[in-house]
Amino acid sequence: QKEVEQNSGPLSVPEGAIASLNCTYSDRGSQSFFWYRQYSGKSPELIMFIYSNGDKEDGRFTAQLNKASQYVSLLIRDSQPSDSATYLCAVTAPRPVGSSYKLIFGSGTRLLVRP
Amino acid sequence: DADVTQTPRNRITKTGKRIMLECSQTKGHDRMYWYRQDPGLGLQLIYYSFDVKDINKGEISDGYSVSRQAQAKFSLSLESAIPNQTALYFCATSSSGSYNEQFFGPGTRLTVL
Repeated sequence: QKEVEQNSGPLSVPEGAIASLNCTYSDRGSQSFFWYRQYSGKSPELIMFIYSNGDKEDGRFTAQLNKASQYVSLLIRDSQPSDSATYLCAVTAPRPVGSSYKLIFGSGTRLLVRP
Repeated sequence: DADVTQTPRNRITKTGKRIMLECSQTKGHDRMYWYRQDPGLGLQLIYYSFDVKDINKGEISDGYSVSRQAQAKFSLSLESAIPNQTALYFCATSSSGSYNEQFFGPGTRLTVL
């Protein structure tokens, strides 16, 4: 089982729709959770991070965390063609003790927003 | 703007050559990282450093070495490049006073022939 799992996609949504991107992680001890956007051939860009159960909103983006289910998601409202990219989920490594500086990345979900 | 820069941005080299990739940052962060990314795969940690005197191996350090010349500079060397080291290489930084959100440089596309 991969430590951080994401559906590779592509996830295709029409312009203006809500895109829902999902991520599961294997270690209950993970503390912080991050979403990065990566355009093809470019570097990952931090969109949001979350560390408490519940929702965190920033503009059109909402991160949702459910630690009991080991599940984190990213909602993108009013999706635009410019949102078409690969979205990487990352979690802090809980082990060994003191490893929280390490991020474990999923392989990413490719999002396509159709005009 | 505070930033993370990498040089070179693209490099083509031959098997057996030594090559150095450089990373500089003006964010004032103390922690620096080197990752590689292969097509369709996630990011893999090569080395990381918490300060100038602290260097640690990541998941895939074999065939690589690093040097932290100053708080703002962290370089990655491939001692004897091989074709399966062809990849995108990213430098990242974070602050020890944060939740470890990491900020990435623009990347170096390395091709080993």
